[in-house]
Amino acid sequence: KAGVTQTPRYLIKTRGQQVTLSCSPISGHRSVSWYQQTPGQGLQFLFEYFSETQRNKGNFPGRFSGRQFSNSRSEMNVSTLELGDSALYLCASSLGGFQGSDGYTFGSGTRLTVV
Amino acid sequence: AQSVTQPDIHITVSEGASLELRCNYSYGATPYLFWYVQSPGQGLQLLLKYFSGDTLVQGIKGFEAEFKRSQSSFNLRKPSVHWSDAAEYFCAVGARGGSYIPTFGRGTSLIVHP
Repeated sequence: KAGVTQTPRYLIKTRGQQVTLSCSPISGHRSVSWYQQTPGQGLQFLFEYFSETQRNKGNFPGRFSGRQFSNSRSEMNVSTLELGDSALYLCASSLGGFQGSDGYTFGSGTRLTVV
Repeated sequence: AQSVTQPDIHITVSEGASLELRCNYSYGATPYLFWYVQSPGQGLQLLLKYFSGDTLVQGIKGFEAEFKRSQSSFNLRKPSVHWSDAAEYFCAVGARGGSYIPTFGRGTSLIVHP
């Protein structure tokens, strides 16, 4: 079966701009989680969507937002980009079953560089 | 809230040697435990997971991990390392109640010498 697809793979943006990243989960997976990965902070949880509803949220400013569509595809948006937003953004899909016990399938990520 | 520590930032082994990557967690009850591997420029791949039952868990690519409640540990092992195992390894712990979003360790970078 197809894996988790993230687009685009690479992105270069200027400070102050906004960006939208896309994630298509594995067919049948209803939960999509987003993580930010940086060398300094490691993997940090952004938010999780399940059946089009935000179910969990990490400690990121309101500039970071997301949504999920009825086909489980998800987008995340970052507005007013800052240099510190440069990171690998990872999408992870799961069945969304009992308390996240099924583990994640990750996409290859979107490498965002803010200049 | 749960937390996880991977004490080793880098581990260097020779090809064919055995491997053990350490993971210690903090959680008030038995957590869900995971090991993931990340190759350069890629996302993370699930190697194995522990929920309950047998404390020795077999995963993909010849890896195994043992849950030791008394030591709050979930160490990853492989009897013979291949050059293709060079990657970043992440341990993650998930709570069984409340927000079950897993917490990831900072990772251990595995370097394999020929």
